[in-house]
Amino acid sequence: DIVMTQSPDSLAVSLGERATINCKSSQNLLSSSTNKNYLAWFQQKPGQPPKLLIYWASSRESGVPDRITGSGSGTDFTLTISSLQAEDVAVYYCQQYYASPLTFGGGTKVEIK
Amino acid sequence: EVQLVESGGGLVPPGGSLRLSCAASGFTFSDYYINWVRLAPGKGLEWVAIINKDGNTKYYVDSVKGRFTISRDNAKNSVSLQMNSLRDEDTAIYYCAGGTSWITRSWGQGILVTVSS
Repeated sequence: DIVMTQSPDSLAVSLGERATINCKSSQNLLSSSTNKNYLAWFQQKPGQPPKLLIYWASSRESGVPDRITGSGSGTDFTLTISSLQAEDVAVYYCQQYYASPLTFGGGTKVEIK
Repeated sequence: EVQLVESGGGLVPPGGSLRLSCAASGFTFSDYYINWVRLAPGKGLEWVAIINKDGNTKYYVDSVKGRFTISRDNAKNSVSLQMNSLRDEDTAIYYCAGGTSWITRSWGQGILVTVSS
């Protein structure tokens, strides 16, 4: 199974400051046949279902603000919120969809400092 | 508007069975892969199972293999998760989620399953 390791477990960031979340996979998520990284990012707020933010490691889902970006390739990926807003308080998960079982990282809780 | 609505959750004793359903609307159901994903208390998201568009291919996380069965009825726009031999650690909110690929774009609101005596 592909193991997804996120860091940090939690972080507190001041409003308007940058938040950076890391995700490392135990196997390469870059497909040689499609040249795409099979990595997604989700945001989950309390009492709500997860929301897709980023797919193919860096493609932003429709409606997601451009302050949220995904980057990385292979085994190392990053989600960046360039200027944290109050509505960004949530738990963020990376997920690989390269192979079954699809696996999530442990989650990163983002709070306001 | 894409809608996925779960039903069938509740309280069940250890060793018991429960059948979750997911009703879909607002899109061409047979174009979608459907997953079940769960969130246990105090834990992170865990992917449980996926079924392909025609229902012929299914995958499961190891912890539910042999106990859970995912199925779909494209004529009724629905997916089910039959859960047998339930354990305390199966207690979670179960989400139905899907997309036209393995990317899960659309999610239901979730349904609570509690395994307890």
